[in-house]
Amino acid sequence: DVKVTQSSRYLVKRTGEKVFLECVQDMDHENMFWYRQDPGLGLRLIYFSYDVKMKEKGDIPEGYSVSREKKERFSLILESASTNQTSMYLCASSPAGTGEEKLFFGSGTQLSVL
Amino acid sequence: DQQVKQNSPSLSVQEGRISILNCDYTNSMFDYFLWYKKYPAEGPTFLISISSIKDKNEDGRFTVFLNKSAKHLSLHIVPSQPGDSAVYFCAASVEEYGNKLVFGAGTILRVKS
Repeated sequence: DVKVTQSSRYLVKRTGEKVFLECVQDMDHENMFWYRQDPGLGLRLIYFSYDVKMKEKGDIPEGYSVSREKKERFSLILESASTNQTSMYLCASSPAGTGEEKLFFGSGTQLSVL
Repeated sequence: DQQVKQNSPSLSVQEGRISILNCDYTNSMFDYFLWYKKYPAEGPTFLISISSIKDKNEDGRFTVFLNKSAKHLSLHIVPSQPGDSAVYFCAASVEEYGNKLVFGAGTILRVKS
């Protein structure tokens, strides 16, 4: 069965801390994505990657960076956490394709920045 | 500017009746539309999709209708079951941009038994 695993279910961090969110997929998918989910705003794309060491900005990349050193792992980095980055973070993966292929999501990381 | 809009934050339906979830979009370049379902404490899971060249796609109790002229799609669930209670997200993609999905804000569906 396909699986996208996010390393933490809940995280509490202080303002200014550097935060790492890890995501691993076991499906050999080319594409990986980081979204954040906020009430009333749905899911918004932060960054995505079409291949190892490749990254593209999504709709809301400010304050975030990413790393993809291996095909199965995609990390989201908050360089200096701020309270407006308190959110549910969702990682997803998909095979390379035309836009019809479905995304497989992890269970999410609820991040609270105090 | 939201390209995909779900204007109903919530919907309550009696078990056995039809649930209709609506979605509007503004970008005429979208090639595919997808619906995802999300339970609390879980990630979204794919439900059903439709290509922009079709106007209907059916999968069991779930049917998606697309009206390109109105830039509107809807998800019909018949009959609704208590286990369908979840948040439903409408999403869209442009083939040129691969699997980069644009999501709506979501609609909370409650099916009462």
